[in-house]
Amino acid sequence: DQQVKQNSPSLSVQEGRISILNCDYTNSMFDYFLWYKKYPAEGPTFLISISSIKDKNEDGRFTVFLNKSAKHLSLHIVPSQPGDSAVYFCAAKLSGANNLFFGTGTRLTVIP
Amino acid sequence: KAGVTQTPRYLIKTRGQQVTLSCSPISGHRSVSWYQQTPGQGLQFLFEYFSETQRNKGNFPGRFSGRQFSNSRSEMNVSTLELGDSALYLCASSLRTGNNSPLHFGNGTRLTVT
Repeated sequence: DQQVKQNSPSLSVQEGRISILNCDYTNSMFDYFLWYKKYPAEGPTFLISISSIKDKNEDGRFTVFLNKSAKHLSLHIVPSQPGDSAVYFCAAKLSGANNLFFGTGTRLTVIP
Repeated sequence: KAGVTQTPRYLIKTRGQQVTLSCSPISGHRSVSWYQQTPGQGLQFLFEYFSETQRNKGNFPGRFSGRQFSNSRSEMNVSTLELGDSALYLCASSLRTGNNSPLHFGNGTRLTVT
């Protein structure tokens, strides 16, 4: 049973525009959410995270929004750059635990 | 600061054999977790070790085991390999366990079982 879902397998965006990646979850006990970027033949690289007590966290070009009532989070990348082309994974943690529940990933392609 | 180091990067084994994968966490990190990535199942949690003790375990058969040493380095063992064990095995480390800190991943070991 997939508790974290990324319903868009792929997304294409023009360079300089905004990329919005979406993630939904079903378990209301998740209290920490993370986004990872993954290039082929490499491990996931941590991008940004958000605690369930917040609704927004920003780090440079990356912003994560959390809507607890909708059990939905999104990652905004502004402006998008060709180097951002990768697979993006959303992940969630339960309170007191350290294991991550991952979504299936969204492949982002930024077109120059 | 060096990242998470996994060895070897690639392995080819035959069905029925066993394999040991190694992981060195980021210096100072005491929690080490292992994940399996396959095209069909995505990224799935195997187990976590903290202070040489298994703290949590995912839904994998007993053929998958691990351990952690006093220097926080970890090994993962898979016995009686099956074709379905072919996957990318990822190790991740974090400073502590059970709190809101991110996990940092190594580049993985690609295991192919023939």
